[in-house]
Amino acid sequence: DAGVTQSPTHLIKTRGQQVTLRCSPKSGHDTVSWYQQALGQGPQFIFQYYEEEERQRGNFPDRFSGHQFPNYSSELNVNALLLGDSALYLCASRTGVEGYTFGSGTRLTVV
Amino acid sequence: AQKITQTQPGMFVQEKEAVTLDCTYDTSDQSYGLFWYKQPSSGEMIFLIYQGSYDEQNATEGRYSLNFQKARKSANLVISASQLGDSAMYFCAMRELRAGTALIFGKGTTLSVSS
Repeated sequence: DAGVTQSPTHLIKTRGQQVTLRCSPKSGHDTVSWYQQALGQGPQFIFQYYEEEERQRGNFPDRFSGHQFPNYSSELNVNALLLGDSALYLCASRTGVEGYTFGSGTRLTVV
Repeated sequence: AQKITQTQPGMFVQEKEAVTLDCTYDTSDQSYGLFWYKQPSSGEMIFLIYQGSYDEQNATEGRYSLNFQKARKSANLVISASQLGDSAMYFCAMRELRAGTALIFGKGTTLSVSS
């Protein structure tokens, strides 16, 4: 049973560009959350999607947006990239009262 | 104020020894959950153990146990009989049910296990 799958694993972008990260949740999971983990820090919550709608959002600017598809997979989009957006982006999925299952993340480097 | 505080940036332990990783939390909610995750260098966050605020017994999962002291707002992770594969970053996290499903993480503790 595949867990949470994220793509790509690594990405290098230039300041000002836009990026899209992808996440396939664990089988049976219908809720997807995204987290940003800067180097040496704990993950910070970006937003959560359920039933194709953003249900909860952390303290991130509108440059960060997302989408959830009918098959529960999700995308994270970041516009106008800044050097400070360089981080590990983690996707987590869950259903009901189950705990959160995390993927291995996408390492984004902005140069 | 920090919601989750992990005061130990790094911990060192020998194989087969027990180790305690500290975590204190701050919330005014009555209903919350506490989690511990392990993050090896690969980046994946691996769930270890969960404690609900109303659980009277300390949670245990194999070699992992959670020393939950509600009055002190602490949720320390105890790893018994450390193994080389336990070397990783460990994060304490909290979910405040009133605030939704987001997890709030601490800054983590790096555990190094030597032979």
